[in-house]
Amino acid sequence: KAGVTQTPRYLIKTRGQQVTLSCSPISGHRSVSWYQQTPGQGLQFLFEYFSETQRNKGNFPGRFSGRQFSNSRSEMNVSTLELGDSALYLCASSNQGDTEAFFGQGTRLTVV
Amino acid sequence: GQQLNQSPQSMFIQEGEDVSMNCTSSSIFNTWLWYKQDPGEGPVLLIALYKAGELTSNGRLTAQFGITRKDSFLNISASIPSDVGIYFCAGSYPDTGANSKLTFGKGITLSVRP
Repeated sequence: KAGVTQTPRYLIKTRGQQVTLSCSPISGHRSVSWYQQTPGQGLQFLFEYFSETQRNKGNFPGRFSGRQFSNSRSEMNVSTLELGDSALYLCASSNQGDTEAFFGQGTRLTVV
Repeated sequence: GQQLNQSPQSMFIQEGEDVSMNCTSSSIFNTWLWYKQDPGEGPVLLIALYKAGELTSNGRLTAQFGITRKDSFLNISASIPSDVGIYFCAGSYPDTGANSKLTFGKGITLSVRP
């Protein structure tokens, strides 16, 4: 069974631009969660999608958004990028959202 | 909000030694998970615990779900150089559905001296 796939692996963007990251969950998993990881803050929860609906949301500004498609694939979007958005963005998939979550390799976003 | 406490931030051990890591919370959880993350990679699930008092092993790793449901520990026996990495604990709330999500500790960086 294929694992969680995130694309792209690396991305460099300029301040003010927007970016879209993609996540394909493990086949059969309906929950996709997104996390931001930085050295200072650790793993911070962004949002969770389940069956195309945002079910949980972390404490991030509205510039961070996401969506989930009918095949459970998910995208997250960050608009008006700031230097502080530089981080490793991780996607995790699970059956229900509160059980075993499996992570992708992440997308390393650098904002310059 | 819910918080998981992992300390210390870093641990240094000698190859061959055993090491134990704790994760504590002021609130109860109904699931505890332990992850390991290598540099530049996503966290990998090591062990999942679903019942208070449960003790589960995965090779040289052993983890326990605390009886109070507010803590968990992970033990690594006979450490080897590839055990180096960041170890995260994660827990989920008793509520399901709209409130179901995982909370992560800040992680413990483990270094193993050959």
